[in-house]
Amino acid sequence: AQKVTQAQTEISVVEKEDVTLDCVYETRDTTYYLFWYKQPPSGELVFLIRRNSFDEQNEISGRYSWNFQKSTSSFNFTITASQVVDSAVYFCALSDFRDDKIIFGKGTRLHILP
Amino acid sequence: SQTIHQWPATLVQPVGSPLSLECTVEGTSNPNLYWYRQAAGRGLQLLFYSVGIGQISSEVPQNLSASRPQDRQFILSSKKLLLSDSGFYLCAWSDAARTQYFGPGTRLLVL
Repeated sequence: AQKVTQAQTEISVVEKEDVTLDCVYETRDTTYYLFWYKQPPSGELVFLIRRNSFDEQNEISGRYSWNFQKSTSSFNFTITASQVVDSAVYFCALSDFRDDKIIFGKGTRLHILP
Repeated sequence: SQTIHQWPATLVQPVGSPLSLECTVEGTSNPNLYWYRQAAGRGLQLLFYSVGIGQISSEVPQNLSASRPQDRQFILSSKKLLLSDSGFYLCAWSDAARTQYFGPGTRLLVL
């Protein structure tokens, strides 16, 4: 069965610090997709990134970076030089190649303190 | 570009009353559509998904139903609301790359 674990329920850091959100997944499939979403206080889930299982290259987008490691079944998300606007709940998610259904982790609530 | 709309944004309903939440997508054809609920915290629960008009798959047996009368319209309904139906309801559509894009959500409070 597929599963996504975000062990960090809540994290607080001071603005400008770097922070890493952990994500560990389980799947028997060799083809799958990993996602990160951001949910700010307004509630709407905002898509951040999608990776497929054949692409293990790390990705950087501005202050955001993602580290995908198949050997440890992890897809961690790092925010560099955090800002107050980064405060949100972040979800890691997984889907397989059979359909479009996504399995979400329980989310990590991130507080960036000014 | 694609846009997804949900209304109403907020709803307060008494127990036992009916419910109708609407979701529409613009800028794409034949999207897969989804209804999620987020209750009492952060967890996202998939309620229904649809791959086409009139095609609805239910993930969790419950007091709710869904319909897709048009290609880009997805409706979530209930005949009689329960207190446990309170929550944040999110609609989403997915593209060919399997990414789901979410609407702004509807906050439902059942009293």
